[in-house]
Amino acid sequence: GDSVTQMEGPVTLSEEAFLTINCTYTATGYPSLFWYVQYPGEGLQLLLKATKADDKGSNKGFEATYRKETTSFHLEKGSVQVSDSAVYFCALSDGGTSYGKLTFGQGTILTVHP
Amino acid sequence: DTGVSQNPRHKITKRGQNVTFRCDPISEHNRLYWYRQTLGQGPEFLTYFQNEAQLEKSRLLSDRFSAERPKGSFSTLEIQRTEQGDSAMYLCASSLETAGRNEQFFGPGTRLTVL
Repeated sequence: GDSVTQMEGPVTLSEEAFLTINCTYTATGYPSLFWYVQYPGEGLQLLLKATKADDKGSNKGFEATYRKETTSFHLEKGSVQVSDSAVYFCALSDGGTSYGKLTFGQGTILTVHP
Repeated sequence: DTGVSQNPRHKITKRGQNVTFRCDPISEHNRLYWYRQTLGQGPEFLTYFQNEAQLEKSRLLSDRFSAERPKGSFSTLEIQRTEQGDSAMYLCASSLETAGRNEQFFGPGTRLTVL
């Protein structure tokens, strides 16, 4: 079945550091890929998405490129802020017969210090 | 606020009791999903509704779990004879399937603790 694997966490960075959170996936079809973020005390929010190979999703300074050849969707940001501290989830949606249900990775806790 | 709402936000119950959670999706969203999230893990899919029809159920959803979405609006998730292993955050999400787009909007979740 479909699966998503995220890099082991947690990740601790200083403000303005470069961020990479690795995500790889296994899927039988051609999934859509997502990054969701969960800020402390809040619900999951969609951060960015990509629906086909080589697409780049971007939002709030974060970027991720859909790499079909390496089955990856790594999240990057050039300069993190304290307000980026949150849990980040990589997810996929196999839009074939699964009605868009999401399969999530285990999440990566990001802490940014001033 | 026009987001997805869930009630209650927290529920503490004793093993063997029944509990029911409610989810109010964004109005006009025709798709509704339930997920379960345990500590340190990502959410896991439980079940899915298209309007009032329950079209998919995960193998995670044992016979003690039942979900409904009468009239295609709000949804309820009931757990009968709760067990300590049911302790988790239960998340609801809704979406509007339009031209292949299916962005899911999540509620804040109901945290269940079974003593």
